[in-house]
Amino acid sequence: GQNIDQPTEMTATEGAIVQINCTYQTSGFNGLFWYQQHAGEAPTFLSYNVLDGLEEKGRFSSFLSRSKGYSYLLLKELQMKDSASYLCAVRDRGNFNKFYFGSGTKLNVKP
Amino acid sequence: DTAVSQTPKYLVTQMGNDKSIKCEQNLGHDTMYWYKQDSKKFLKIMFSYNNKELIINETVPNRFSPKSPDKAHLNLHINSLELGDSAVYFCASSPERGGRETQYFGPGTRLLVL
Repeated sequence: GQNIDQPTEMTATEGAIVQINCTYQTSGFNGLFWYQQHAGEAPTFLSYNVLDGLEEKGRFSSFLSRSKGYSYLLLKELQMKDSASYLCAVRDRGNFNKFYFGSGTKLNVKP
Repeated sequence: DTAVSQTPKYLVTQMGNDKSIKCEQNLGHDTMYWYKQDSKKFLKIMFSYNNKELIINETVPNRFSPKSPDKAHLNLHINSLELGDSAVYFCASSPERGGRETQYFGPGTRLLVL
C-alpha cells in the first residue's frame, strides 16, 4: 500500500523560513513532487526530487532522503501569498502515470 | 490560453441524477487523468488515459465511466449520483511517462449532490 504523511497545518510569520515535512511508505518510488494549492484553485507544480539531496529553486527548496522515506519543502522569506496548502506526491515505480498524494499541509502566513 | 480546462466549474444536482464533466487540454500531452479531492483535501487518482487508452482504473464504483474521444479530451460521466460523490474533481494532463515532467491540473469541478 501507499502511505504519505504530512502535518495538517502550520503557521509562520512573513519574512521567516518554514519547513514542511513529508514521510512516505510506498511499494515503489520514482520521484517525489511538491505542489502548491491555493484555496479554491488547482494544484500547481513546485518541485521534483528523484535523487537524494537538495533541489533549490528561488525561495523554495526541496530535499529528499530515499533511505528514510523523507522529504521536506523549505520556503524562505515567506510572503503573505505563500499562504496555501502544500501537497507532497510520490510517483509509482511500476506505473509512471500513478501518483499518490498526501492530504496536504495548510500553511498560514501571518504579518 | 487555458492549458487544461474543465466544464462546468460548479455542478449542483440531486441524488440519483446522471451528470458529465468535460476536460480538454491544449498542451499536446499524451496522458490525461481524473482525480477526486474530498473535503479532507486528499487528492486521489481515479482514472488515467494514455493516447485514448485506459491505463489506470483505480477502485472506483462503476457508476463512474471515463471516455476519451481523442488524446486532447477526457470526459467523466457519473450515473446515479450519491451524496458521497460530492467533491472537487480535477482533470490533469502530463507529457510523458517518467522524468521530471509533472502533471498540469485543470481548475476543478465542484460537485455538490443534494
